[in-house]
Amino acid sequence: QKEVEQNSGPLSVPEGAIASLNCTYSDRGSQSFFWYRQYSGKSPELIMFIYSNGDKEDGRFTAQLNKASQYVSLLIRDSQPSDSATYLCAVNMEGETGGFKTIFGAGTRLFVKA
Amino acid sequence: DGGITQSPKYLFRKEGQNVTLSCEQNLNHDAMYWYRQDPGQGLRLIYYSQIVNDFQKGDIAEGYSVSREKKESFPLTVTSAQKNPTAFYLCASSRDYLNEQFFGPGTRLTVL
Repeated sequence: QKEVEQNSGPLSVPEGAIASLNCTYSDRGSQSFFWYRQYSGKSPELIMFIYSNGDKEDGRFTAQLNKASQYVSLLIRDSQPSDSATYLCAVNMEGETGGFKTIFGAGTRLFVKA
Repeated sequence: DGGITQSPKYLFRKEGQNVTLSCEQNLNHDAMYWYRQDPGQGLRLIYYSQIVNDFQKGDIAEGYSVSREKKESFPLTVTSAQKNPTAFYLCASSRDYLNEQFFGPGTRLTVL
């Protein structure tokens, strides 16, 4: 069973702090990794994607990928109350019958306290 | 504006009825997907289509059916065989199966 695992949280951080969200995946052959943000009652929206080992920065967000450890993380700098949401990690993995499909983690709930 | 639309936003179904959820995209994406989300849970893949006229079952396809006759459309039918259909249904599309997915606003289905 191919899996993507996240700590469900909730993760609570004070406003202005760095929030660190983590994700592990089971398929060593995975090539594409995504972070989505989902506000309560809304659909997920893409924050970042990363394909190569190392860090990728976009504004206050940094995605980190370590394929050897099968680990991907998302750092949110200067956290704001508006960042309070559920963050979904998604990984493209090879399906049991060939081809690729995206597996989503269950998500980590983040609360940023004002 | 380019994007993905889903309709209706809210849908109520009586037990024993089939209902069809609409999903349309004008992003010229090849791949389309249907997910189900239950309260406090992650996304579970129902069906996906990597190209027009072709689709594959996801992890929870039982009680659901789809068609992909046009590139821009991927309707989902929830049949009476689906025993617990009350959930939030999300449609997504991507340029191809390797790239990021973009989601529609979702349809919330309730069985009365």
